[in-house]
Amino acid sequence: DAGVTQSPTHLIKTRGQQVTLRCSPKSGHDTVSWYQQALGQGPQFIFQYYEEEERQRGNFPDRFSGHQFPNYSSELNVNALLLGDSALYLCASSFQGQGIFNQPQHFGDGTRLSIL
Amino acid sequence: GNSVTQMEGPVTLSEEAFLTINCTYTATGYPSLFWYVQYPGEGLQLLLKATKADDKGSNKGFEATYRKETTSFHLEKGSVQVSDSAVYFCALSSGGNNRLAFGKGNQVVVIP
Repeated sequence: DAGVTQSPTHLIKTRGQQVTLRCSPKSGHDTVSWYQQALGQGPQFIFQYYEEEERQRGNFPDRFSGHQFPNYSSELNVNALLLGDSALYLCASSFQGQGIFNQPQHFGDGTRLSIL
Repeated sequence: GNSVTQMEGPVTLSEEAFLTINCTYTATGYPSLFWYVQYPGEGLQLLLKATKADDKGSNKGFEATYRKETTSFHLEKGSVQVSDSAVYFCALSSGGNNRLAFGKGNQVVVIP
């Protein structure tokens, strides 16, 4: 049973560029959340997708956007990259169907994004 | 809003020593509490959880008890191994939204 998979593993971009990160949730999961983890810090919540809609959003600018597909996979897009966007981006999935909340989230290994 | 506070600084200890990592929280409603572990170059793995007051989560020799009166969820292990070296994060979610708030994490280094 595959867990949460993310691609690519590493990515190097320059300031002003745009990037797309991808996530496939664990089998049976329907909800995908994205987190940004700066070096030496805890993950910060970016947003969450359920039923192909953004359901919640953390304190991140509109440069950060996302999408969820009918197969529950998800993308995170970041426009106009800044040096401060350098971080590990983590995807987490969980099952929220039937109103089951506060379920443990399963994390992928992340995408390491470096901005030059 | 929701927040989690972990004790400052890395933790270095010898093999078979007792480990405690403190975690306190502020939350609306009745949060669920979690400990996650992150090994070098990897994502986060759920270590244990507790969903209501006085619940004790346990896994792989680690334990943590949900203390509502002190708003704490301290992580303990009686005898650590070198393989326990990792970064440990305390986290919570509340309000039925599955949105995790994390502490800053504690680096644990176990010396043989």
